Amino acid sequence: KNEVEQSPQNLTAQEGEFITINCSYSVGISALHWLQQHPGGGIVSLFMLSSGKKKHGRLIATINIQEKHSSLHITASHPRDSAVYICAVIAGNEKLTFGTGTRLTIIP
Amino acid sequence: KAGVTQTPRYLIKTRGQQVTLSCSPISGHRSVSWYQQTPGQGLQFLFEYFSETQRNKGNFPGRFSGRQFSNSRSEMNVSTLELGDSALYLCASSLGPSGANYEQYFGPGTRLTVT
Repeated sequence: KNEVEQSPQNLTAQEGEFITINCSYSVGISALHWLQQHPGGGIVSLFMLSSGKKKHGRLIATINIQEKHSSLHITASHPRDSAVYICAVIAGNEKLTFGTGTRLTIIP
Repeated sequence: KAGVTQTPRYLIKTRGQQVTLSCSPISGHRSVSWYQQTPGQGLQFLFEYFSETQRNKGNFPGRFSGRQFSNSRSEMNVSTLELGDSALYLCASSLGPSGANYEQYFGPGTRLTVT
């Protein structure tokens, strides 16, 4: 079993829909990252969380440390949001461990 | 401020050869981490350097090595290349070590193809 599990693996939605991507992890962590990867490979760090909630534009990330769970929400989704979203955690070994990613496609 | 740069962007090598990839971090960043991304295994941590010292290493064979210079630029080397080493190699820089929860900034990656 992977230490970091994401769901769903693939998600297709219509433009304007509210999107939720989930991440569960099985180890104690010091921080959790949400990353975005567009075709071509470039990765952008969206959020780094150790507690609570963060918001940046239409993106919101939450984390529940007790339940070992985080969610990434996208409001008013747009085709340019189409990308792979990756959850990654830093555990006690201080190594970044990645989920397998969620491929999001937003249809105009 | 310039972002993280990686050279070369694309590389084709033959089995058995060796390869050196380079990463220049954002100015002022002292930590550089390397990652391998393949379709089968996803993203995996290779190693992290901070102030010229390797802080952490992932579960990769000794053929994978790296170093960091005094200007924080880093190189990684893969010797005796195997077909399975074909991957996108990403580096990321941060102000401080990953354990201190600094945000990481990723480079565009080097796509290595081994034939």
